[in-house]
Amino acid sequence: NAGVTQTPKFQVLKTGQSMTLQCAQDMNHEYMSWYRQDPGMGLRLIHYSVGAGITDQGEVPNGYNVSRSTTEDFPLRLLSAAPSQTSVYFCASSYRLDNEQFFGPGTRLTVL
Amino acid sequence: GQQLNQSPQSMFIQEGEDVSMNCTSSSIFNTWLWYKQDPGEGPVLLIALYKAGELTSNGRLTAQFGITRKDSFLNISASIPSDVGIYFCAGLGGSGGSNYKLTFGKGTLLTVNP
Repeated sequence: NAGVTQTPKFQVLKTGQSMTLQCAQDMNHEYMSWYRQDPGMGLRLIHYSVGAGITDQGEVPNGYNVSRSTTEDFPLRLLSAAPSQTSVYFCASSYRLDNEQFFGPGTRLTVL
Repeated sequence: GQQLNQSPQSMFIQEGEDVSMNCTSSSIFNTWLWYKQDPGEGPVLLIALYKAGELTSNGRLTAQFGITRKDSFLNISASIPSDVGIYFCAGLGGSGGSNYKLTFGKGTLLTVNP
């Protein structure tokens, strides 16, 4: 199993550009989520999904969209990038809602 | 949102020493998790705790789920240089959060001097 994979590993955007961060897992996990990690703020939940076709907002959803068309994939879209979205983004998945979550390697995003 | 109080923020120790760090909360959790993050990598799960009072070991690591369900600690025995990294506690479920969202502590930065 590859586990949780994320692409790209690094990305630089200009303010106003849009892009999609990819996340995939091959463990047949129902639950997937996106976190952002900022210095001094820890990890904060952006959006999550409890299964294909079902998504919901986390703590800091503004400026991000998600969709879950398959069990394996959970892309995160930045609609119009802002410097405040400069961060490291982690995707995570778990087999059940109350199970431990496994994290991908992260995407380091810089918005100029 | 709900935060866990993780301490200490950082530790600088000598190789071979034992390490202890802990997390406390004003709310209860159903599950406590401990993760380690190396620079440039995602958090990696070390230990998961599911029952109040549970004591679980994983090699040189030992973690306990506090009896009140509001705290947890992680011990590392006989530290080695590869133990360097940031250690995070996380709570799941209970009155402290939902079953969908991990509530994270802000991490303990561990430095091990060879």
